[in-house]
Amino acid sequence: KNEVEQSPQNLTAQEGEFITINCSYSVGISALHWLQQHPGGGIVSLFMLSSGKKKHGRLIATINIQEKHSSLHITASHPRDSAVYICAVNYGGSQGNLIFGKGTKLSVKP
Amino acid sequence: DGGITQSPKYLFRKEGQNVTLSCEQNLNHDAMYWYRQDPGQGLRLIYYSQIVNDFQKGDIAEGYSVSREKKESFPLTVTSAQKNPTAFYLCASSSLAGVLDTQYFGPGTRLTVL
Repeated sequence: KNEVEQSPQNLTAQEGEFITINCSYSVGISALHWLQQHPGGGIVSLFMLSSGKKKHGRLIATINIQEKHSSLHITASHPRDSAVYICAVNYGGSQGNLIFGKGTKLSVKP
Repeated sequence: DGGITQSPKYLFRKEGQNVTLSCEQNLNHDAMYWYRQDPGQGLRLIYYSQIVNDFQKGDIAEGYSVSREKKESFPLTVTSAQKNPTAFYLCASSSLAGVLDTQYFGPGTRLTVL
């Protein structure tokens, strides 16, 4: 069974802290996505990666294909980063379907 | 502005009624998806479509139906056969299914069955 596991489930941080959210998956993938879901429910795609590392502003995503593991880092966290962060993987095939983790709820306190 | 719209944002339905959720995109994307989100669970795929007039069942298609008569539109009908329809429904699209491509999500529709 293809599974995506995220940790931690919930995370509370103080403003300015460095944050790491982890994602593990069970079999080989074509790509891994990090998504952000705000309290209103809308989802924004942050990164799609299949190897190495990507950076956008204060967000950094890394993936280790051999270990089947990815991390999302937030530097200098801010209360506006409070959201649910979701990891999703694409196992390939013709459908382009994603398998989603349950999400990590991040709360950044001022 | 390009994007995906879903309507309505909130929807209430009586038990036994069918209801249709709208999803429209002006991104010229070929592929469109419907997901369901329940508290404490990851998103689950209901249906997807890679091209007009064609669609495929996802992991939890029972009690749902879709149509794809136009490239821009992919409405989802929640039928009375769906045993537990109360959930948050998200529509997404991508330029090409099966290719490494970002999926763009709509704002979602929260359906409550009374």
